[in-house]
Amino acid sequence: GQQVMQIPQYQHVQEGEDFTTYCNSSTTLSNIQWYKQRPGGHPVFLIQLVKSGEVKKQKRLTFQFGEAKKNSSLHITATQTTDVGTYFCAAPSSSARQLTFGSGTQLTVLP
Amino acid sequence: DTAVSQTPKYLVTQMGNDKSIKCEQNLGHDTMYWYKQDSKKFLKIMFSYNNKELIINETVPNRFSPKSPDKAHLNLHINSLELGDSAVYFCASSHGGRSGQPQHFGDGTRLSIL
Repeated sequence: GQQVMQIPQYQHVQEGEDFTTYCNSSTTLSNIQWYKQRPGGHPVFLIQLVKSGEVKKQKRLTFQFGEAKKNSSLHITATQTTDVGTYFCAAPSSSARQLTFGSGTQLTVLP
Repeated sequence: DTAVSQTPKYLVTQMGNDKSIKCEQNLGHDTMYWYKQDSKKFLKIMFSYNNKELIINETVPNRFSPKSPDKAHLNLHINSLELGDSAVYFCASSHGGRSGQPQHFGDGTRLSIL
């Protein structure tokens, strides 16, 4: 089945540093979604990207969808302790009946 | 006014027991899901129901059986619990079963097998 590869698995940054997580697929994606899961919490939908080359921003978060619609990134500028959590990308399977989640990037922000 | 609610939040039980987890959504969604999240945070889809019909049944043991009395509810029954079943189980819901729409998750049920 379709796989969405996500790197890195873990990332430790000092507060104020930037952070990026990447997702890659071997197949063209109809859309890609990003979720955030706080420690002890549940995944929360952040954004959906649909168009080739699309860039969307949410305050300090910048989401990009690759031109070939096979990769995506989430960049956080000047991290804060509130950014701590696991960030997942997710994409519809080839049948579009389910979402395939990346393995997640666990972000730790050191004060 | 919780959108996706699942109970119980914590479940501690002994190996060999049978247990159920309940899930309800008030978002008017027509598709509901069960996920298993292991200690490494990997989210694995287990089941999906669209308008009360099972549309996904991933390779999970048949000790796990989903039941959907209506499109707002999707319960998960587990027979003969094993140590490897210890995990966090999330219920989720979305619009549309074939469109890859964003999903809304419940708070999770933390299952621990003694």
